Amino acid sequence: AQSVTQPDIHITVSEGASLELRCNYSYGATPYLFWYVQSPGQGLQLLLKYFSGDTLVQGIKGFEAEFKRSQSSFNLRKPSVHWSDAAEYFCAVGNNDMRFGAGTRLTVKP
Amino acid sequence: GAVVSQHPSWVICKSGTSVKIECRSLDFQATTMFWYRQFPKQSLMLMATSNEGSKATYEQGVEKDKFLINHASLTLSTLTVTSAHPEDSSFYICSAYRGSYEQYFGPGTRLTVT
Repeated sequence: AQSVTQPDIHITVSEGASLELRCNYSYGATPYLFWYVQSPGQGLQLLLKYFSGDTLVQGIKGFEAEFKRSQSSFNLRKPSVHWSDAAEYFCAVGNNDMRFGAGTRLTVKP
Repeated sequence: GAVVSQHPSWVICKSGTSVKIECRSLDFQATTMFWYRQFPKQSLMLMATSNEGSKATYEQGVEKDKFLINHASLTLSTLTVTSAHPEDSSFYICSAYRGSYEQYFGPGTRLTVT
């Protein structure tokens, strides 16, 4: 069965610092991988996705993620965090049967 | 493009009553829509998959008689919570599948049952 693990429940970074959010997946075949961001009381916005091809994926808002099959990981990165990036981030795997990780709450210190 | 709306965004109802939540794909047709439930500070849990013109497929543990799903057209799916109880209070999010292995999510509906 497919599943997603986000090991970090809460991360705090200073504004301007770099960010990496971890995601590990379990999937029987080539995974379809996604990162979403959710602001409080809002729906989900897609940051980026990976289906195949180049393992380094560029997304919106300056985010990128790297697919590493050997590590079953799809970590999200941003070189310089802005205060507006504070939100909940979800990694997801699947297609029609999408499964979400537990989420990582990002706090940005001024 | 690829906008999904939900109505209402927030609803309060009394225990024992039913409430209907609408999910619409505004600028594309969606043969498949999904309904998720999210408890505070938790992840999204898939409740059911809604296919236009056919019965919804429910995830294990989701009561299909309590959470009625109707996907009557290619742009509208509805979730009706019947005989709601306080434990049904949650954030309900729908998504619509447009192909390209991607779901577009609605803004969510917060249900509070008193």
